[in-house]
Amino acid sequence: QKEVEQNSGPLSVPEGAIASLNCTYSDRGSQSFFWYRQYSGKSPELIMFIYSNGDKEDGRFTAQLNKASQYVSLLIRDSQPSDSATYLCAVKGTQGGKLIFGQGTELSVKP
Amino acid sequence: GAVVSQHPSWVICKSGTSVKIECRSLDFQATTMFWYRQFPKQSLMLMATSNEGSKATYEQGVEKDKFLINHASLTLSTLTVTSAHPEDSSFYICSASVGHGGTDTQYFGPGTRLTVL
Repeated sequence: QKEVEQNSGPLSVPEGAIASLNCTYSDRGSQSFFWYRQYSGKSPELIMFIYSNGDKEDGRFTAQLNKASQYVSLLIRDSQPSDSATYLCAVKGTQGGKLIFGQGTELSVKP
Repeated sequence: GAVVSQHPSWVICKSGTSVKIECRSLDFQATTMFWYRQFPKQSLMLMATSNEGSKATYEQGVEKDKFLINHASLTLSTLTVTSAHPEDSSFYICSASVGHGGTDTQYFGPGTRLTVL
């Protein structure tokens, strides 16, 4: 079992729809959870982080964390073509501050 | 805030030469920096953790004598790819950690694309 798992996609949604990206992790001791966006040929850009169970909203983005189910998700409301990118879920576990990345989910927002 | 720069943004070199990549935190001090490598269509692979004033911690399978890391100050870490070969061609990305303990966050530099001929 991979430490952090994401559906690789591609996930295709129409413009204006809600995009839902999911991530599961195996280390129950994980403390911090991050979503990064990576455009093709560019480096990752931090979108959101979440530490506590529940929802955290920032503009069109909502991160959801359920530690009991070891599950974290990212919702993108009113998706735009500019949101088309690969979204990386990253989990900080118990091993010296390292982030463990999922393989990323490719999102395509169609006009 | 939390801006990380890298230099150069791209480099082409001949096989057998060494290449140095710099990673700087511009508006904060970073006790810890990380070096990643990313091949096309793959996720990030952590190469090493760089701590200011001490030796870097390398991930399993990463040759420490080939990928030399120096973190001489709180704002600068360098990665030197020694005796580069075509298989070292990749996208090298650094990140710097802001905050403490469980709430620290990594911010990434723009990356350096290395091509070894």
